Amino acid sequence: DAGVTQSPTHLIKTRGQHVTLRCSPISGHKSVSWYQQVLGQGPQFIFQYYEKEERGRGNFPDRFSARQFPNYSSELNVNALLLGDSALYLCASSLGANEKLFFGSGTQLSVL
Amino acid sequence: DQQVKQNSPSLSVQEGRISILNCDYTNSMFDYFLWYKKYPAEGPTFLISISSIKDKNEDGRFTVFLNKSAKHLSLHIVPSQPGDSAVYFCAASPTSGTYKYIFGTGTRLKVLA
Repeated sequence: DAGVTQSPTHLIKTRGQHVTLRCSPISGHKSVSWYQQVLGQGPQFIFQYYEKEERGRGNFPDRFSARQFPNYSSELNVNALLLGDSALYLCASSLGANEKLFFGSGTQLSVL
Repeated sequence: DQQVKQNSPSLSVQEGRISILNCDYTNSMFDYFLWYKKYPAEGPTFLISISSIKDKNEDGRFTVFLNKSAKHLSLHIVPSQPGDSAVYFCAASPTSGTYKYIFGTGTRLKVLA
């Protein structure tokens, strides 16, 4: 069975640009969460979606947005990129809204 | 404000010995705790979890202990193997609310052969 898949694996952008990251959950999982991991820190919660509805949002500016599609895949969008947005962006899926997370390998975003 | 703390950034242990990784939390509303392992260039992998109604959970070589009064949990790996070398994150969540997990900063475990 395929695990959580994320694309792209690596991305280089410049300040002010926009980026879209994509995630496909494990088959049968209805919840997708997004986390940001800065070097030397633990993953930090950005969003959770369950059954296509936003269930939680972390302490991130409105430049960050996300959505979940009818097939439960998800996109994370970041507008007006800043240097500080450089990080590993992790997507995780779970069966339900409050169950253990299964992570993808992440998208490494570098903002120059 | 770091609600989940892993105060040891790194730990080295000899192969075959016990590895003990520690985690402290400050929010008394947390009642579900997990440990994840992360290898370079991979996402975190779930290892073991414990809910606040228990004080111990075992899975093979891995045991997690929870001390609610001290707001402290620990992961024991016995015996440690070189393949256990990775970064270990503890995470905490209330069972209600936004269902977000709060992660610690991680401990890098190195098991020496």
